[in-house]
Parts: sequence; structure tokens; C-alpha cells
Amino acid sequence: QSVLTQPPSVSGAPGQRVTISCTGSSSNIGAGYDVHWYQQPPGTAPKLLIYGNSNRPSGVPDRFSGSKSGTSASLAITGLQAEDEADYYCQSYDSSLNGWVFGGGTKLTVL
Amino acid sequence: QVQVQQWGAGLLKPSETLSLTCAVYGGSFSDYYWNWIRQPPGKGLEWIGEINHSGGTNYNPSLKSRVTISVDMSKNQFSLKLSSVTAADTAVYYCARGLRWLQTQNYFDSWGQGTLVTVSS
Repeated sequence: QSVLTQPPSVSGAPGQRVTISCTGSSSNIGAGYDVHWYQQPPGTAPKLLIYGNSNRPSGVPDRFSGSKSGTSASLAITGLQAEDEADYYCQSYDSSLNGWVFGGGTKLTVL
Repeated sequence: QVQVQQWGAGLLKPSETLSLTCAVYGGSFSDYYWNWIRQPPGKGLEWIGEINHSGGTNYNPSLKSRVTISVDMSKNQFSLKLSSVTAADTAVYYCARGLRWLQTQNYFDSWGQGTLVTVSS
């Protein structure tokens, strides 16, 4: 059971918009700690997608955006492309565990 | 452009000690925290622990009793040892650079290629 809760799977057709939620608690997201997102295509290492809730590293398309409110965060992907098919993970800090925690991951399928 | 490369034994027997090393090429080694993260087959990511250039460490409480992370500044390398492994420790192990600006703010921006470690008798 992950400290941060994500839906196991989401799907969308090419060109559509999908969102992935990341729900935490008062000891992590709700305490004000930043949320970061990673993309992991099959068989590869995770790649940083969003940092500091809503910032994109150089090279990440602006089709990807992040937001945070209260005890939750969201990753939105617009203009879905086949190459977006991957697992997505959120990450933050948890004060109860005194360490970095990940969500359980969400598998995005592009129909 | 930083590159992170890792290596180590991929097959262990129960009760043995897992040992992996990660080398960092390019960029500053001393300005970051260096992490180990694992992913059991078909499952999510689990943070194992971190170390800074001066040897300060922080471990996941669930693994703390079995984990040792060390650093060799002369080689820009850091290592993971996990003792008394069981089948539950079978996973892909990643090393990763952490951009940490507060005690409670950190993300991982460069990852190694991953090493599959299988524990089986």
C-alpha cells in the first residue's frame, strides 16, 4: 500500500486530454511538500517529467502540466500521443516516514 | 550533462548481501544527494536511501536495519549494500541523483539504467 494513492490505470484516444491524480495526506502533500512526476516507458528507467508541482525540465513538451491543491496533485497530458504510453509516478516527502515516497503508479494506455 | 552508470551482481541466494555501485560522470558530485531506489517486478518504486558527498546518510525506515550506503569521493562513486536478502528483495535497483534544496524537498533528475537483482535458492 503506497503512501501516495494513484489510479492503477487511465486511458485516452490520440489527441485527447487525460489527468492522473495523486492523493496524499497531512503528513506529505497536505503539509506543503512539493510533488514531482516521473514517466517510465516499458523496460526503461524513470524520467523526471514535472518538478516542484508544476515545473517542466528542459525538453519536456508543454503538453504535460502539473498542479497541486490541498492533499492532492494532478498530472495533465493534452494532445495524447502514442509515445505517451507509459507508467507515471508521483513523488513527495512524508514527515511520518522521514523520507521520500512514491505513488503506486498509473499505467497510461493510448487507445 | 551528467551520466549515471551502475553495476553489480544480478543473482543472489537468500541470506546473502546485495552489493551495487554507481558511478557519476560529468557535473558536480558534491552538490547533490545520491540515492538508491528499487522496483519489484510489475510493481511501483520504493526509495531505499541517500548519501551526500560528506557521507551523511538517510534511509527508508523499513529497510534501515539492513542497508548501508557509502561514498567514494575520489572516484565519484557511491554504493549500496543490502544484507540478509530474501525473495522479497528481488527488484530492479536504480541509482539516481537527488536535487535537494531543503530537508523536505527533493526530486530525482538523473537515473542509472537499472540492475535486475534476483534472489533465488
